Amino acid sequence: AQSVTQPDIHITVSEGASLELRCNYSYGATPYLFWYVQSPGQGLQLLLKYFSGDTLVQGIKGFEAEFKRSQSSFNLRKPSVHWSDAAEYFCAVGEGNEKLTFGTGTRLTIIP
Amino acid sequence: GAGVSQSPRYKVTKRGQDVALRCDPISGHVSLYWYRQALGQGPEFLTYFNYEAQQDKSGLPNDRFSAERPEGSISTLTIQRTEQRDSAMYRCASSSNSYEQYFGPGTRLTVT
Repeated sequence: AQSVTQPDIHITVSEGASLELRCNYSYGATPYLFWYVQSPGQGLQLLLKYFSGDTLVQGIKGFEAEFKRSQSSFNLRKPSVHWSDAAEYFCAVGEGNEKLTFGTGTRLTIIP
Repeated sequence: GAGVSQSPRYKVTKRGQDVALRCDPISGHVSLYWYRQALGQGPEFLTYFNYEAQQDKSGLPNDRFSAERPEGSISTLTIQRTEQRDSAMYRCASSSNSYEQYFGPGTRLTVT
């Protein structure tokens, strides 16, 4: 069965600092990988996805993620965070058009 | 265009009552998914449809939970004889054939 681990429950970074959120997955085949963001009171918004090809993918809001098959990882990065990036971030793995399996999320706090 | 909509946004019900949660997907999206999200957790898959056919209901926790999508568009998730443990955020998502799932704002269900 597929699974996703987000080892960091809560991360605090200063505004303008760089960010990396970790995600490890367990999946038998080549996974479809996603990062979603959930702001307070809002739904889940898709930040970026990886299906195949270039292992470094760009998303919205200046985020990027790198797929590393050897490490079973799909870490999310941003060079310089803004106060508006404070939210909860979920990594997910899927197979085609079927269900997504989500991690437990990482809550990001931004300090001035 | 319009995104995924869900109604009601909030539902408070007494234990033992039945509830029906509605999801209106993005127009033309073939696939529709239901997830449940407990506080501090990621969304967990319940069931999904392609058109009107229920493809996978392996995530439905017990036979009090059912879902339908009779005309291949709007879907209803029904919980019979609600229990306090059913309290959660219920999220709906839809997808075309692009494997990207777009989520609605969710229905917060509280069972008292």
